[in-house]
Parts: sequence; structure tokens; C-alpha cells
Amino acid sequence: AQKVTQAQTEISVVEKEDVTLDCVYETRDTTYYLFWYKQPPSGELVFLIRRNSFDEQNEISGRYSWNFQKSTSSFNFTITASQVVDSAVYFCALSGGLNNAGNMLTFGGGTRLMVKP
Amino acid sequence: DADVTQTPRNRITKTGKRIMLECSQTKGHDRMYWYRQDPGLGLRLIYYSFDVKDINKGEISDGYSVSRQAQAKFSLSLESAIPNQTALYFCATSAAAGVRNQPQHFGDGTRLSIL
Repeated sequence: AQKVTQAQTEISVVEKEDVTLDCVYETRDTTYYLFWYKQPPSGELVFLIRRNSFDEQNEISGRYSWNFQKSTSSFNFTITASQVVDSAVYFCALSGGLNNAGNMLTFGGGTRLMVKP
Repeated sequence: DADVTQTPRNRITKTGKRIMLECSQTKGHDRMYWYRQDPGLGLRLIYYSFDVKDINKGEISDGYSVSRQAQAKFSLSLESAIPNQTALYFCATSAAAGVRNQPQHFGDGTRLSIL
């Protein structure tokens, strides 16, 4: 069975601080995909990134960066110089490869990030 | 216009009522999904469909049914609503197997409250 754990249920930072959201996953698949989604207060889910299990290169997109470490089964998300608009719930999700019929996602419980001015 | 549209956006109803949540998409995706979101539990899969003739149960299908009326439409029904089905419901779509594990695209959600 697959499992995604986001141990931090809530994080509060002051604007301009850096913040890292942790994600640890479990899967028996050798091929799998990891995702991050953002859910702002308005409620919609916004796709941020997809990573496959063969690509351990870290990725940076503006103030966002992701650190994928297969050795520790982690896919952490860092926001640099946080802004109030970053306040949201962030979900990490996993999709198995060969043994997963399609794209079904297993989600973590989410981390609520509050950025205060 | 949104690519994945859910109706209604909000619904309050009473225990025992039949409820239908509708989802339509303009992305041309074959695959569609229904999830529910509860605080602290993330999103959990209720049902999914890979094409019009394909329906599959997800992790928490009890108490729900679905209908895939067309490639673009996938509805979720609660035949006899109960209070613990109060949740935020999401519809999602994704491309077919040729581009496996492409990201799912989500609707804006339906907030359902059952009294």
C-alpha cells in the first residue's frame, strides 16, 4: 500500500522567512511519481510540480524549490522569502507507476502554511 | 471559463436526501475522478473512470455511486445522505495512459453539508 505523510499539520512564519514543508512517502513501486498541490483559502487545488522516481535532480521555480531524496523517501518543498500570498494548505501526493492502474493519487494530510505580514 | 467545472459549488441538505454532484470538463481528458477532502486526511479517492464504459471503486466508495454520461461528464450521487458525508468534494481529470502520470487537474470543489 502507498502512504504519504506530512508530519507538519500547521506552520506559521513571518513574511520573508524561508520555510520547508516536509513530505515522506512509502511505496513498493520502483517507478512512481510525486506531486505537490497548493490549496489557497479560496479552496481550489493548484498543481505545482511533478517528479518521477528516476529523476533526483532538485528543481527550482522562482521562490519555490523541491528536494527529492530517494534514500530517505522524502520530497520536501521549500519556499524562499515567503509572502502572505503563499498562505495555503499544501498537499504532497504519490502516484505509483507500473502497479498503479492509471494516475490515482495518494495524498498526504496536508500542511497549512500561514505567512504573517 | 474553467476547464473542470463542478456544480453546485455549495449545498446544504438533510439526512436521507438524494444528492447529485456534477462535473464537466473541456480538457478532452479520458480519465475522471471523484475525491472527498476531510480536515487532516487530505483527499481520498471515491470513484474513478478511465472512459465512458469504465467505472472503478476507489478507497472510500461505500455510500456513493457515479455515472459517466459522456467523456466530458462524470456525476457523483449520494443515494441517502448521512452527516458524516459532510465534506469538500473534488472532481479531477487527467490524460490517458499514453501520457501516464500526467498531473490531475481539479475542479474548484463542492462544499456539501448534511444536517
